[in-house]
Amino acid sequence: GDSVTQMEGPVTLSEEAFLTINCTYTATGYPSLFWYVQYPGEGLQLLLKATKADDKGSNKGFEATYRKETTSFHLEKGSVQVSDSAVYFCALSAFGSYIPTFGRGTSLIVHP
Amino acid sequence: DSGVTQTPKHLITATGQRVTLRCSPRSGDLSVYWYQQSLDQGLQFLIQYYNGEERAKGNILERFSAQQFPDLHSELNLSSLELGDSALYFCASSVVVSTGTDTQYFGPGTRLTVL
Repeated sequence: GDSVTQMEGPVTLSEEAFLTINCTYTATGYPSLFWYVQYPGEGLQLLLKATKADDKGSNKGFEATYRKETTSFHLEKGSVQVSDSAVYFCALSAFGSYIPTFGRGTSLIVHP
Repeated sequence: DSGVTQTPKHLITATGQRVTLRCSPRSGDLSVYWYQQSLDQGLQFLIQYYNGEERAKGNILERFSAQQFPDLHSELNLSSLELGDSALYFCASSVVVSTGTDTQYFGPGTRLTVL
C-alpha cells in the first residue's frame, strides 16, 4: 500500500539556519504530494503541494520539489524563524483515492 | 482560521462511556474526513463522508461510528471508551470527493481524555 516516510525529529535549529526535512514515498500511479504544518494547539494546515513530477510547491519561503525518480518531496527553507517552530507532515494522495496517507510528522524547534 | 469548526474543544470522560464529537465543514465543502492523532500512532485516517454518504473507511474501530447530516455537519460517535482512545480527533473538509489533488482544511480538534 501507499506509505510516506519522514525523517524523525525533533529537528533543532538556530534562527536563520537552513532547513531540510526529508520525505520519501511509496505509491502506485502518480500521487499528489503535500506538506502540512501543525502549529502548537492547532489543526493541520496546508503549507504547499505538487501534483505532478518536477512540480515545485512553494509558500512562506518553504519549497519542495516532486522528484519521481527518487520518490521524494523534501521540504526546504533558506532561513528559518522562531515562528516556524511546528510539526510538519508530508502526505500523499493517489489519483482517484479517497484516503490520504500522512507521514508521522517531524517536529521543528527554532531557537533565537 | 480554516473555517472548519469542532466542538467540544476538550472532553474528559470515563472508560465504558460514549461521547459524540461534532464538526461543521467550511461553507461549500461537501467532503468531511475524521482523523485520530495520538503520540504513538501519529495521524490516522478514520472515515470520510461525501454529501451525506460514507465514501471511505480507514482505521476506524467498530466501537466508533460517524454520520453526515443533510446540513453537511458530521458527528463522530465513540462508544465503550477505553484508555487507549485518548487522543486528539480532527475533522477536515474539502470541496469535492478527492481526486487526489484536493486540499483538506482541518478544524482545531477535540482533545478526548478517557480516565
